[in-house]
Amino acid sequence: GAVVSQHPSWVICKSGTSVKIECRSLDFQATTMFWYRQFPKQSLMLMATSNEGSKATYEQGVEKDKFLINHASLTLSTLTVTSAHPEDSSFYICSAPRFGGTQPQHFGDGTRLSIL
Amino acid sequence: QQQVKQSPQSLIVQKGGISIINCAYENTAFDYFPWYQQFPGKGPALLIAIRPDVSEKKEGRFTISFNKSAKQFSLHIMDSQPGDSATYFCAAINTDKLIFGTGTRLQVFP
Repeated sequence: GAVVSQHPSWVICKSGTSVKIECRSLDFQATTMFWYRQFPKQSLMLMATSNEGSKATYEQGVEKDKFLINHASLTLSTLTVTSAHPEDSSFYICSAPRFGGTQPQHFGDGTRLSIL
Repeated sequence: QQQVKQSPQSLIVQKGGISIINCAYENTAFDYFPWYQQFPGKGPALLIAIRPDVSEKKEGRFTISFNKSAKQFSLHIMDSQPGDSATYFCAAINTDKLIFGTGTRLQVFP
């Protein structure tokens, strides 16, 4: 069964709205979670690393003020897309290493974000 | 530069055939090499993974072959089924970061 849960699975909203996406590890604690963005027929692009109890680490080119990440507990990380615009429309996916460290990550089912 | 090159971009296989997807890497500091399967509208699902000190790993119909000296690894899907039709990503893990390949779209026809 799923070990990483992501919510919502699909959201449609008007331009200028802020949208929050939740990522939960279901039966394990994750001090680190990851947020990816995927465009149609493309690979996953790492946006940021979410660190429990500290600031997120963003990849080069990712706007920190646009994509706010909060990792308030060992099982929950949130990504907030602030003042979303149509160009922010994409598939956002989170992941966490179930067994920690260098072990392969498990992914959530993604959130399809559509900004009108 | 950390990069994982994947080929082919797309693959069409008849039911019962063998699907082979290849990846090559440059960084020798990778810790783990997982393969992911992704269906449309879903997140990637971990399929199978191998450490660099192992040359082959098999799980059911899925086998990873790893050639450390050539810095290459491949996924073999035996007895391919229509339900295997999906996009497959190879990846490499450095510390805790995943570096993804570009993906292979597999179509298995009855």
